[in-house]
Amino acid sequence: SSELTQDPAVSVALGQIVRITCQGDSLRNYYASWYQQKPGQAPVLVIYGKNNRPSGIPDRFSGSSSGNTASLTITGAQAEDEADYYCNSRDSSGDHLRVFGTGTKVTVL
Amino acid sequence: QVQLVESGGGVVQPGRSLRLSCAASGFTFSSNGMHWVRQAPGKGLEWVAVIWYDGSRKYHAESVKGRFTISRDNSKNMLYLQMDSLRAEDTAVYYCARWSGGDADGGLDVWGQGTTVTVSS
Repeated sequence: SSELTQDPAVSVALGQIVRITCQGDSLRNYYASWYQQKPGQAPVLVIYGKNNRPSGIPDRFSGSSSGNTASLTITGAQAEDEADYYCNSRDSSGDHLRVFGTGTKVTVL
Repeated sequence: QVQLVESGGGVVQPGRSLRLSCAASGFTFSSNGMHWVRQAPGKGLEWVAVIWYDGSRKYHAESVKGRFTISRDNSKNMLYLQMDSLRAEDTAVYYCARWSGGDADGGLDVWGQGTTVTVSS
């Protein structure tokens, strides 16, 4: 199975830009989807595919990818964006398995 | 509204079995692949299993392969996870989630609230 590696924690000043990265071999061939999880709540999909947002997700969330790295960018971070963020993608084994990243805790200062 | 509701969690002894259920409503259940995802206390998300929209294909994470089995009943709008030979490390909140979009570019767009499984003697 493959792994997706994320920085454990990042902080951002209110209204500034923060980028969360996800690294893994499988990202060379498959898109990542991104999930926001607040304490005690189920995860919420924020980005999928090349750079698609589900309805209701603010446009300050965007996604990109290059080589073995996928990124989630929050442009103009708000207090309510403080949460854990996880990437998810196909496992590189080719057996339709999936894998989550290690997760990034975003703190808004 | 679109909703997933898990049930069946509880406290179980190591080596015993448990079956989780996930009731879907508000969408055409038979059109979507479905997943189980778990989260151990204080830990990150771990993908567990997927089943195709028609039940024709299913895949399980290596950590549960041979012990857990995902299944579905489209006539009842139900998703299941049969968990056998449970271990302490299976203790987690278990979420069911709907897959939308293509296999390569979709996402888990609807999640249940989770059901807690505790494996302890």
